[in-house]
Amino acid sequence: NAGVTQTPKFRVLKTGQSMTLLCAQDMNHEYMYWYRQDPGMGLRLIHYSVGEGTTAKGEVPDGYNVSRLKKQNFLLGLESAAPSQTSVYFCASSSPFSRTSGRTDTQYFGPGTRLTVL
Amino acid sequence: SQQGEEDPQALSIQEGENATMNCSYKTSINNLQWYRQNSGRGLVHLILIRSNEREKHSGRLRVTLDTSKKSSSLLITASRAADTASYFCATPNYGGATNKLIFGTGTLLAVQP
Repeated sequence: NAGVTQTPKFRVLKTGQSMTLLCAQDMNHEYMYWYRQDPGMGLRLIHYSVGEGTTAKGEVPDGYNVSRLKKQNFLLGLESAAPSQTSVYFCASSSPFSRTSGRTDTQYFGPGTRLTVL
Repeated sequence: SQQGEEDPQALSIQEGENATMNCSYKTSINNLQWYRQNSGRGLVHLILIRSNEREKHSGRLRVTLDTSKKSSSLLITASRAADTASYFCATPNYGGATNKLIFGTGTLLAVQP
């Protein structure tokens, strides 16, 4: 099992350029998430998905779009990159929490994508 | 939104010593999780403690939870240089039908050999 993988690992963009970050998981998880991590800020949720074909906004969604066309993939798009989007981006996946089954909502993280916008 | 706040922000100890990190949160929870992040890597789940548990052990890790004080602590015993990392607590936010975790800002632990 590869777990959660992210592509690319590093990227440098110029202001106004666009790009897509790809996240893939092989654990058959229903839920997937995109976070950004900035110094001193912890992780902040950008967008998330509770299933194929569904997406929802997180804490800091502005300037980003997402798509979940396949259960195993979750794409994060930047249509017009800005220097404020310089950050490390993490994807994560999890199963739904279930009180009856005792299944927890532990999240499994990818290795991250370091993005610099000049 | 509820959020875990870790304390201290940074901690430096010698190898072999114990390290204690604390987390406070704001609203009622049914579990609290601790994650570790090595420099330049993604977060890795360490341990989960449920709201009806007061203490839990996993190897050299000991987690306590005090729901009356809305706080948790993570103790790493006999620390090693390899324990150098950032440690985050995370609490669930079950608004709507989603499973979202709210992460704190982390404690940076440095273990000196």
